Amino acid sequence: GENVEQHPSTLSVQEGDSAVIKCTYSDSASNYFPWYKQELGKRPQLIIDIRSNVGEKKDQRIAVTLNKTAKHFSLHITETQPEDSAVYFCAAKSPLSGANSKLTFGKGITLSVRP
Amino acid sequence: EPEVTQTPSHQVTQMGQEVILRCVPISNHLYFYWYRQILGQKVEFLVSFYNNEISEKSEIFDDQFSVERPDGSNFTLKIRSTKLEDSAMYFCASSERTGVNSPLHFGNGTRLTVT
Repeated sequence: GENVEQHPSTLSVQEGDSAVIKCTYSDSASNYFPWYKQELGKRPQLIIDIRSNVGEKKDQRIAVTLNKTAKHFSLHITETQPEDSAVYFCAAKSPLSGANSKLTFGKGITLSVRP
Repeated sequence: EPEVTQTPSHQVTQMGQEVILRCVPISNHLYFYWYRQILGQKVEFLVSFYNNEISEKSEIFDDQFSVERPDGSNFTLKIRSTKLEDSAMYFCASSERTGVNSPLHFGNGTRLTVT
């Protein structure tokens, strides 16, 4: 099955700087890659996603890039703010994983934005 | 914006007891899921459900677990005889369709504590 790796486990940046979070996946058939933000004690919330037929997608201060050859995808946050501090999970979906949209998550990275 | 709702927010039970976690998916969604997150770890897939039957389940979802859609709105997860290691946050999720064009929407979760 799919295996999603996420490194490092923590990242600390200065407010205003950019943050880049990287994930790798194992199943070359995976075709959907969402990113979720989870604040302490709250639900994972979808912040951006990308499909395998697209190399990059941007939404205001966040962007996601996908390299299918290398099987990795990255989340880019520009002009970071303290409220960006949270745990960020990447995930992947393989069409071979069954009829439903089962997601395989990475372990998450804790992003801390220092004021 | 419609949300997935889960009750209770926190459930404390003794080892060996049965628990039922309840979810109300978004009304026009057809695909339902349960995920689990042990404290500090990644979100793990348990089961997916469509058309009143399980579509896929993980190794975690053993005979102690069951799911049900007892009526047109609720989706429940039952753990028959809880173990200490069942302590986790349980997230219900739903999607309108399957495939890459239908993201998962998570509920706020139920924190299950088994003592």
